[in-house]
Amino acid sequence: GAVVSQHPSRVICKSGTSVKIECRSLDFQATTMFWYRQFPKQSLMLMATSNEGSKATYEQGVEKDKFLINHASLTLSTLTVTSAHPEDSSFYICSASQAGSYSGANVLTFGAGSRLTVL
Amino acid sequence: GQNIDQPTEMTATEGAIVQINCTYQTSGFNGLFWYQQHAGEAPTFLSYNVLDGLEEKGRFSSFLSRSKGYSYLLLKELQMKDSASYLCAVRDSNYQLIWGAGTKLIIKP
Repeated sequence: GAVVSQHPSRVICKSGTSVKIECRSLDFQATTMFWYRQFPKQSLMLMATSNEGSKATYEQGVEKDKFLINHASLTLSTLTVTSAHPEDSSFYICSASQAGSYSGANVLTFGAGSRLTVL
Repeated sequence: GQNIDQPTEMTATEGAIVQINCTYQTSGFNGLFWYQQHAGEAPTFLSYNVLDGLEEKGRFSSFLSRSKGYSYLLLKELQMKDSASYLCAVRDSNYQLIWGAGTKLIIKP
């Protein structure tokens, strides 16, 4: 089945530093990748939709200059949290859908998530 | 606005059956998904419904009524490993996934 690899799984950083999270589709091409944030006991919150070769589409309230998304190839998207602050501490999850139409059970495959702790 | 409602938490006994309900109000409908998420892990796909009726997959079944904006996930022969959060998500007319807050299911021996 489709596999999405996300790295790192856990990261602790100092306030003011930047952190990069990678999301790779291992056995399929992902024209679209999604980045979510999840706070404890809450549901997934879509941050942005990343399309290969174009700028990401950010959801309302998500700062594009703070959360930099790059989707340079069909198998790799990165999320960089710039100048991280303690309130950015969260569980960040990427997901990908295979190239092709959105019809039918075009299931999202999720990465394992990255737990960011900003001190 | 778009809204998905599911109970926050449910408790059931090992070996029993539990039904987790999901009601939705979205701009358009292009399918409903159920995902399972264990604490600290990413969601994993359970089921997909786009037509009315029941979809059965082993111990898990999912039902959809589009006219009522309603779905449920039925879990049979509960096992301790089924303790997790269950997320309902609806794909709207723009093919955006709208997520419910999830139902935390606690299984007791």
